[in-house]
Amino acid sequence: EADIYQTPRYLVIGTGKKITLECSQTMGHDKMYWYQQDPGMELHLIHYSYGVNSTEKGDLSSESTVSRIRTEHFPLTLESARPSHTSQYLCASSDAGTANEKLFFGSGTQLSVL
Amino acid sequence: DAKTTQPNSMESNEEEPVHLPCNHSTISGTDYIHWYRQLPSQGPEYVIHGLTSNVNNRMASLAIAEDRKSSTLILHRATLRDAAVYYCILSRPNTGNQFYFGTGTSLTVIP
Repeated sequence: EADIYQTPRYLVIGTGKKITLECSQTMGHDKMYWYQQDPGMELHLIHYSYGVNSTEKGDLSSESTVSRIRTEHFPLTLESARPSHTSQYLCASSDAGTANEKLFFGSGTQLSVL
Repeated sequence: DAKTTQPNSMESNEEEPVHLPCNHSTISGTDYIHWYRQLPSQGPEYVIHGLTSNVNNRMASLAIAEDRKSSTLILHRATLRDAAVYYCILSRPNTGNQFYFGTGTSLTVIP
C-alpha cells in the first residue's frame, strides 16, 4: 500500500486566489513528481524533483511552482488561480536509481477555479 | 520520449481472461516495460513491469515479444474491480521524464 498523501482531495476556489496543494510521502523516496490530468486525457508531467533542494520543470509548461525543502514534502503552489488551472493534480514518488523503480501515486487533488 | 500505442477501449466478461496489447516499436535496449492502472477517481497504481522475460505477479502476467516491440498484459480472471484505465509505459532509468503516460486502454468488465 502506497504511503503518499495529498490534501485537499477537492478544492473549489475563486479566480486570483493563491493556493498550495500538499503532497507528503513516508517512504523516504528521493524522487517526486507532479502530474496534471484532465478528464479522459493523459497524464502530463509538470514538475519533478531528484531530492532536497532539487526542482525541475516537466514536459508540460505550468504556471505553478514547487519546492522541496524536506525529502517527504513536495508542495505545489499557484500564486493566482485561473479557470484554466481547473484540473486534477497527481503527486507521485519513486524509489529512484534502481532497475525496479516504480511510481507510487497519491489519490489526487481535484481543483476547480471559478 | 519512447511512445506506446494501445487500443482506446476494451471489454471483457467477468471471470474471463483479458489480454491488453501494447505496441512499442521504438523501444530501446535499456527501456523497461511498465504497466499501471488507474481506477476511477484514483491515482494510477503499479501493476507489473519487465525488461525481456515474461513476468508474473499476484495481479497479472506480462508477456513480452521476443523483439520487444510489443507486450501484452494478461489479467487471468477479470473482476468488476479490474475496470480501469490501463497504461503501458516505457521507462528509461535515470532520465528526467522516464514515465510517459499515454491515454491508455479503458477496460470495461461486464457482469
